Formats: sequence, C-alpha cells, structure tokens
Amino acid sequence: QKEVEQDPGPLSVPEGAIVSLNCTYSNSAFQYFMWYRQYSRKGPELLMYTYSSGNKEDGRFTAQVDKSSKYISLFIRDSQPSDSATYLCAPVNQAGTALIFGKGTTLSVSS
Amino acid sequence: EADIYQTPRYLVIGTGKKITLECSQTMGHDKMYWYQQDPGMELHLIHYSYGVNSTEKGDLSSESTVSRIRTEHFPLTLESARPSHTSQYLCASSETNEQFFGPGTRLTVL
Repeated sequence: QKEVEQDPGPLSVPEGAIVSLNCTYSNSAFQYFMWYRQYSRKGPELLMYTYSSGNKEDGRFTAQVDKSSKYISLFIRDSQPSDSATYLCAPVNQAGTALIFGKGTTLSVSS
Repeated sequence: EADIYQTPRYLVIGTGKKITLECSQTMGHDKMYWYQQDPGMELHLIHYSYGVNSTEKGDLSSESTVSRIRTEHFPLTLESARPSHTSQYLCASSETNEQFFGPGTRLTVL
C-alpha cells in the first residue's frame, strides 16, 4: 500500500463550482499535512498546511484533516480557471525530515 | 526578493556527459532538498541537506551526487548522464516543515 494516495483525475468543473480534492494516507503517526499546487512545467507552490486534525481556512481554500480515517481534503470555493492545476497532498514523514507526496489530482476549471 | 532559483530550466544532452544542475536560495534556509518527478508521478526525494557540509541520500536511489559548501547553494551532479536520467529535477528549501520549491530543471538525455 502506498503511503499517500490521491485520485489522479482529471477533475473537470465549471467556473464557480465548489471543488473537493481528497487524499488518504497509511501512517497514523503523520501530524503535519501540506497542500501544494503545481502548474504545468512549474515547481509546486505551497497553498496551506494543517497540523493534526481539524480545519484551516485561507480565502477560498479550506484544508481538512480527519486523522481517525486518515483522510485529508482540500475544498476550493468559487473555483476559477486560474485554479486549473495539479494539487498535491504531502504529509510530513514520521521523522520530520521529508514530505511524502501523492501523485496529485489534476483539476480543470472551465469558464 | 527572497526566492529559490534553478538553472538551467531545460537541458538536452547526450549520453555520457557530465552535468551539474544549479540550485540557489536567498531565504537563508538551512535545509535544502532535491526531488525527481516523472510525468504524472509523485515527487521522490533523492538528496537532502540540513546545512553546510551535510548531505544525505533520500528515499529514491539516484546516481547523482550533491554538495553543500555554502548555505545558499546546493548543486546536483551527474558524472555520466544516461537516458534513464531523463526527468524533471526540483530543488526546495525550508526552515520548518514548509518547503519552498524552485521552478525545476527538465533534463533530457539522448
């Protein structure tokens, strides 16, 4: 079983839709969880991170962690064409030395 | 402006050549990383450093080597490039858990 799993998509939505991107992980010891956005042929850009369980909101983005089910979500409200990218979830490994990346979910928002 | 830079952005080179991918950051971060990413696949950590004169291998075995002589500079070297080295190489730096990435170098070995 991979440590981090994401549905690769692609996920296609119309502009203004609410988007839910999801990620599961296998190691219950993970505490920090990052979300990155990666545009084509660019490096990943940190969107937000959460610690342990709960929600964190930043503008149109909300990150949610459910440690009991080892499930991470990123919600995007009022999605825009500029949100079209690949979204990567990345827990910090148990030793705190590295990020463990999922394959990412590709999102396409049409105007 | 604090940032992280990678050069070259694109490199096409023949088999057997020695190459060095450059990575520099102006954020004063102690930790730096190299990841390898193939299209549609996960980023895999190949090297990391916690400071000057500190280098460690990552989870993915790589024939490349790295050095950290200055805090801001973390170059990656391939002594003899092969077609199997064709990939995107991403450099990152951090002070805490949040890693900041450069734009990447897309390497093609013919």
